Amino acid sequence: DTEVTQTPKHLVMGMTNKKSLKCEQHMGHRAMYWYKQKAKKPPELMFVYSYEKLSINESVPSRFSPECPNSSLLNLHLHALQPEDSALYLCASSQDPGLEQFFGPGTRLTVL
Amino acid sequence: QKEVEQDPGPLSVPEGAIVSLNCTYSNSAFQYFMWYRQYSRKGPELLMYTYSSGNKEDGRFTAQVDKSSKYISLFIRDSQPSDSATYLCACLSGNMLTFGGGTRLMVKP
Repeated sequence: DTEVTQTPKHLVMGMTNKKSLKCEQHMGHRAMYWYKQKAKKPPELMFVYSYEKLSINESVPSRFSPECPNSSLLNLHLHALQPEDSALYLCASSQDPGLEQFFGPGTRLTVL
Repeated sequence: QKEVEQDPGPLSVPEGAIVSLNCTYSNSAFQYFMWYRQYSRKGPELLMYTYSSGNKEDGRFTAQVDKSSKYISLFIRDSQPSDSATYLCACLSGNMLTFGGGTRLMVKP
């Protein structure tokens, strides 16, 4: 298995909803990442997990809450989002921190 | 000034042409260099990954790194309409990946 999977593919939520994005990889990678990508812009780093511990939080608002239940799974919990949070949310993984990153297909999030 | 600069394009070429995509970077701490291809509404796909200055070839793709001038390139030979996508260069320092803005490429049949 050489891919990063993400669910759901699409998500529409209201500003009062709570939802979660899920990312999974079975490549034995020890670093996992969340990125946010707006249209016609490059991905922006949100969080880095290294060996299941949060190592980088790029000043992301607390309405985004990451969780790494085990070395294969990464979740992003969403609560009280704003319409400007609508974007493509990408998960990536790498064998170790500091090596090439492989991206999942993304979750397209729309906040109404 | 952005740490990684990339011409946004769009770049339009006829099928079969050689395509040259380029980025410059300013941070000497960058050690690894990557090229990603991203189709519309999809995740980025890793195409090439290089560490040292010089060339790396994989099929129709050649990645070139010149650390002395902080310049990275991706060449695509015999371009195909299926190569139409946005190409993102990325530079890695530690576990921080910094992207260029992306170049939109259109290969016309």
